[in-house]
Amino acid sequence: EPEVTQTPSHQVTQMGQEVILRCVPISNHLYFYWYRQILGQKVEFLVSFYNNEISEKSEIFDDQFSVERPDGSNFTLKIRSTKLEDSAMYFCATVSPGVDGNTIYFGEGSWLTVV
Amino acid sequence: SQQGEEDPQALSIQEGENATMNCSYKTSINNLQWYRQNSGRGLVHLILIRSNEREKHSGRLRVTLDTSKKSSSLLITASRAADTASYFCATDGLANFGNEKLTFGTGTRLTIIP
Repeated sequence: EPEVTQTPSHQVTQMGQEVILRCVPISNHLYFYWYRQILGQKVEFLVSFYNNEISEKSEIFDDQFSVERPDGSNFTLKIRSTKLEDSAMYFCATVSPGVDGNTIYFGEGSWLTVV
Repeated sequence: SQQGEEDPQALSIQEGENATMNCSYKTSINNLQWYRQNSGRGLVHLILIRSNEREKHSGRLRVTLDTSKKSSSLLITASRAADTASYFCATDGLANFGNEKLTFGTGTRLTIIP
């Protein structure tokens, strides 16, 4: 089974600090996503990324958030100045056209706690 | 109901019984996917069914899709204790490939009693 790898698995940060969450997509996948899940709530779409640019973003993905693929392998989500309400599990997901029937694979998640 | 809403919200059954979970959605879709999530863990992909398919099987899983009713069901046969988890459906709206903004349901919390 192909695997999306995320680090860190858990991070605790002070409110106002910057956080970077990292994802290593499946090697032949071309489309990347970030989702988040606040404890006990639905999984929500944040952003999709293809060809080094954002394809679509949700209203949650405001100016505090950014994504990039700095080295051609990692895919990162940066939260510039964290707020208490950013506490959530953040999932990276990847897919490639025609691969596994366009199945979208998710990582194990990065649990972010803002205090 | 909301896009991708599952029912029941919680289901407890004896080991060995079958478990059925339902999902309803509102807008037209390309495909529908079911995921499993163990508590505090990642989303594990179970099965994808395309909008032109009506039924799909994978091991002990059977998924049906009725696009006229905008609903899907996930059946787990001969349940095991290890099947205890939350199950989510996620729909992929009609869009150009690469913009699969999956919309997740609220999930069904399945508990298998040994």
